[in-house]
Amino acid sequence: DAKTTQPNSMESNEEEPVHLPCNHSTISGTDYIHWYRQLPSQGPEYVIHGLTSNVNNRMASLAIAEDRKSSTLILHRATLRDAAVYYCILRSNYGGSQGNLIFGKGTKLSVKP
Amino acid sequence: GAGVSQSPSNKVTEKGKDVELRCDPISGHTALYWYRQSLGQGLEFLIYFQGNSAPDKSGLPSDRFSAERTGGSVSTLTIQRTQQEDSAVYLCASPRGGPLAGGATDTQYFGPGTRLTVL
Repeated sequence: DAKTTQPNSMESNEEEPVHLPCNHSTISGTDYIHWYRQLPSQGPEYVIHGLTSNVNNRMASLAIAEDRKSSTLILHRATLRDAAVYYCILRSNYGGSQGNLIFGKGTKLSVKP
Repeated sequence: GAGVSQSPSNKVTEKGKDVELRCDPISGHTALYWYRQSLGQGLEFLIYFQGNSAPDKSGLPSDRFSAERTGGSVSTLTIQRTQQEDSAVYLCASPRGGPLAGGATDTQYFGPGTRLTVL
């Protein structure tokens, strides 16, 4: 899977929007962009994924750049419960070991009340 | 149940002892992954089961590690003669399976993990 780059940490205030960036300049045309998050002392949790168009679900929105070399996970109103490590990964139908996830260090999001 | 469950949630053992970790995947999901996560690190793939196919064991770090899946459902990860470097959180994931398993659009549902501490 192609590599992604994320900031190590970000801070947000409660009830404000949060934009979490991810760079993936070597993305291939068949790679999907996935986001997971991991709350303290819990297993990772799927958030959202997309290919080219922006995506919305109940948890977040995913904005994908036109050239697909970067994307942004948007939490519209951060809550204290959103404090977690957010992982941006690329998933392909080709290569990898039977589709196992490969997480980097991710972005640790802190939310201040 | 609705999600993936794992037991025990915490396990403290002495170096050299064997441990068994259990995973109950989402009912009907045919694929199952085991990962481990050391403190402050990313996920490390261990083993993958898909239906009745031979498991992909390429991520197991040594022959002290083994896993089985009985009846295509519950899975047990066994670590023999534990070492201190085995201390980590062991996570089980249940993807949707079938034709989508491991594919670009597949998503994985994780259990809460078992925190293993080897003294």
